Amino acid sequence: KAGVTQTPRYLIKTRGQQVTLSCSPISGHRSVSWYQQTPGQGLQFLFEYFSETQRNKGNFPGRFSGRQFSNSRSEMNVSTLELGDSALYLCASNQGVNTEAFFGQGTRLTVV
Amino acid sequence: AQSVTQLDSQVPVFEEAPVELRCNYSSSVSVYLFWYVQYPNQGLQLLLKYLSGSTLVKGINGFEAEFNKSQTSFHLRKPSVHISDTAEYFCAVTETSGSRLTFGEGTQLTVNP
Repeated sequence: KAGVTQTPRYLIKTRGQQVTLSCSPISGHRSVSWYQQTPGQGLQFLFEYFSETQRNKGNFPGRFSGRQFSNSRSEMNVSTLELGDSALYLCASNQGVNTEAFFGQGTRLTVV
Repeated sequence: AQSVTQLDSQVPVFEEAPVELRCNYSSSVSVYLFWYVQYPNQGLQLLLKYLSGSTLVKGINGFEAEFNKSQTSFHLRKPSVHISDTAEYFCAVTETSGSRLTFGEGTQLTVNP
């Protein structure tokens, strides 16, 4: 089985721009979660989608949004980028509640 | 809400020495516990998990952890480390009714020859 795939692996954007990151979960997994990892704040939960519905949301501003498609693939979007949005964005997929999360390799976003 | 505290931000050890990475958690509800490892420029890989049952959990690469409910701890141990174990280790919890992970700050394990 293929693992969780995130694209692109690396991204450089300018302040004020917007960006879309993509995540393909493991086949059969319906839950996708997104996390932001920074040296200062560590790993923080952004949101979780299950069957195309946002099931849970972390404490991030509205500039951060996401969606999930019928094939369980998910995208997250960050609008009006700020320097502080520079981070490793990790996607994880679960088969369902009470199951372990499998992580992708992440997308490294640098905002200049 | 839950919180996780990893008591050591950096742990340097010599090759073949034993190691313990400490993790304490706080939660008002039942939780599941996990240890993940992250190598440079990589995602997170699950080392082991505690869901229920035996409090001593064995994972991959020779790691094990013990769940102590009274002390709300879930320390990770390995009896003999290798250079290749050098990485960052994260302790995480999730409510038994959900899948949102709350992570500790991470412990950088450095194994020296």
